Order: sequence, then structure tokens, then C-alpha cells
Amino acid sequence: GENVEQHPSTLSVQEGDSAVIKCTYSDSASNYFPWYKQELGKRPQLIIDIRSNVGEKKDQRIAVTLNKTAKHFSLHITETQPEDSAVYFCAANDAGGTSYGKLTFGQGTILTVHP
Amino acid sequence: GAGVSQTPSNKVTEKGKYVELRCDPISGHTALYWYRQSLGQGPEFLIYFQGTGAADDSGLPNDRFFAVRPEGSVSTLKIQRTERGDSAVYLCASSPSPSSGELFFGEGSRLTVL
Repeated sequence: GENVEQHPSTLSVQEGDSAVIKCTYSDSASNYFPWYKQELGKRPQLIIDIRSNVGEKKDQRIAVTLNKTAKHFSLHITETQPEDSAVYFCAANDAGGTSYGKLTFGQGTILTVHP
Repeated sequence: GAGVSQTPSNKVTEKGKYVELRCDPISGHTALYWYRQSLGQGPEFLIYFQGTGAADDSGLPNDRFFAVRPEGSVSTLKIQRTERGDSAVYLCASSPSPSSGELFFGEGSRLTVL
């Protein structure tokens, strides 16, 4: 099955700096890569996703890049704000499944943005 | 309408007991998923329903775990003979269709097995 590795496990930045979180996956057939944000005690929420037919996607201060050859993808947050502080999870879909919602998640990155 | 609703939000039980966790998905969402999240880990897939049928139950850890969705809406995750290792947050998510991608998660049911 799919295996997703995520790093770093913790990331501390100053407000206004950029943050980058990286993930690798094992199954070259995976074709859907979402990122979820989970605030303490709250539900995970999708912040951005990318499918394998594109290499980069951007939504305001958030961007995701995908390198299918190397089997890695990254989340980039620019101009970080204290409210960006949360746990971020990357995920990859099970290519053999019948749904894009069957995901393997990374271990998570705790992002702390200091004012 | 309302988001995904899960009950109970917290459940404390004793080892060996039977537990049911309920999920009420977003109205109209045909795909429903159960995930389990242990402390400090990402969610782990358990089972996926498309309509009333379990399309993929490959993530269920053993036969003590079972889930149903009899009318294609509400789903119940059932755990028999609970063990301390079952302690986790059980997350339910729904999606408009299997191909839509985005999962709308509930707040989860925190299960503690003493």
C-alpha cells in the first residue's frame, strides 16, 4: 500500500516568514494529493489539493508543488500569520481504490507562527 | 446545510465492552468514510461507503470492527470487545461523490477504553 512520509514534524517561524512542508509518497500510481489543516481539538479541513496532471497550484498565500518523478510534493505558505498555527497533514490517494477519499496521511507538521 | 455530525463526542468505556459511534453526513453526500486518529498521528483509513454498501473495508483492523449505513445516510461504527489499543479519535467524513476528492470531516468521537 501507499506510504507517506512528512517532514519536518515541527516548524517554528516568525510572522511574515514563509513556511515549507515536504512529503514523499511511495506509490507512483497515486494521482491526488490534498493538504489538510487541523487546529487543536478541531476537525481536519482541506486547504489545497493537487492532481497529478499539474505541477503547481496556488491559492492566495498557499501553494502546492508536485514532482511526480521524484514522488514528492510540498506545501508553501507565504506571509505567515499567527492564525496559520496548526497541524498540517499531507495525504495521497490509494490509486487502486474506487475513491479519491481513500487517503494515506503523513504524520503531520506542527506549525507555530510567532507574532 | 449543517456539517458532518458525530455522536457521542466523548465515550469512555471499559475493556471488553461494546461501543457504537454514529455519523450523520452532509445531506446529499453519497460517499462516507471512517478514519481513526491516534494522538500525534495522521488519520488512518478504516472503511468507505458509497451509498448503502461498503465499497472498501480494507482498513478495518480486525473483525471486532464493523460499520453499517443501512439507508445511505447515517452510518454507525461498531466495536466489539473493546481493547485499550482502540482508544483514539474516530473521524467520520463525507464527500459529494467518490471522485470529488475533498473530505468534509466531523469533529470526531473520542473513544477511551480503560
